[in-house]
Amino acid sequence: GENVEQHPSTLSVQEGDSAVIKCTYSDSASNYFPWYKQELGKGPQLIIDIRSNVGEKKDQRIAVTLNKTAKHFSLHITETQPEDSAVYFCAAANYGQNFVFGPGTRLSVLP
Amino acid sequence: GAVVSQHPSWVICKSGTSVKIECRSLDFQATTMFWYRQFPKQSLMLMATSNEGSKATYEQGVEKDKFLINHASLTLSTLTVTSAHPEDSSFYICSARYERGLYEQYFGPGTRLTVT
Repeated sequence: GENVEQHPSTLSVQEGDSAVIKCTYSDSASNYFPWYKQELGKGPQLIIDIRSNVGEKKDQRIAVTLNKTAKHFSLHITETQPEDSAVYFCAAANYGQNFVFGPGTRLSVLP
Repeated sequence: GAVVSQHPSWVICKSGTSVKIECRSLDFQATTMFWYRQFPKQSLMLMATSNEGSKATYEQGVEKDKFLINHASLTLSTLTVTSAHPEDSSFYICSARYERGLYEQYFGPGTRLTVT
């Protein structure tokens, strides 16, 4: 079955700097890769996703890149702000299959 | 759009009692709903998947007689934890998908269950 790894487990950046979180997946059949942001005591919120027919997707300060050959995808947050501090989860899925989540990355943006 | 609610947001119950958690899709019809469990500082663990009008499909290791799931309508799914024990204390989160074949899942705010 699918296995998703995520690095780093914790990440601290200065406000205004960029943050990058990387995930790798094992099942080459996976074709959908969402990223979720979870604040303390709340449910995950979808922030961006990408499908395997696209190499990059951007939404304001957030971007996701996908390398199908290497089976990894990354979340890029530019101009980080304190409100970006949260736990970020990546996931991988194939059509009709359930999500497999990574273990999460705790991002701290220091003012 | 795509808002999912859960009720209650937190609940405390005594060991041996049962507790029901509701998950509602507020602005869309959810053909599929998912129930996850999350322990502190850990990732989301899928417990079961339910399609409206069908029996839930449980993940390996999840006791279906202990975690009863009912997806009676396109906007409501319930999770009942029966004969709860302290080890059932956790953060339970539901998510919903509004059309078969689509990928996106929208998550509820979660329910914190504490069993004393």
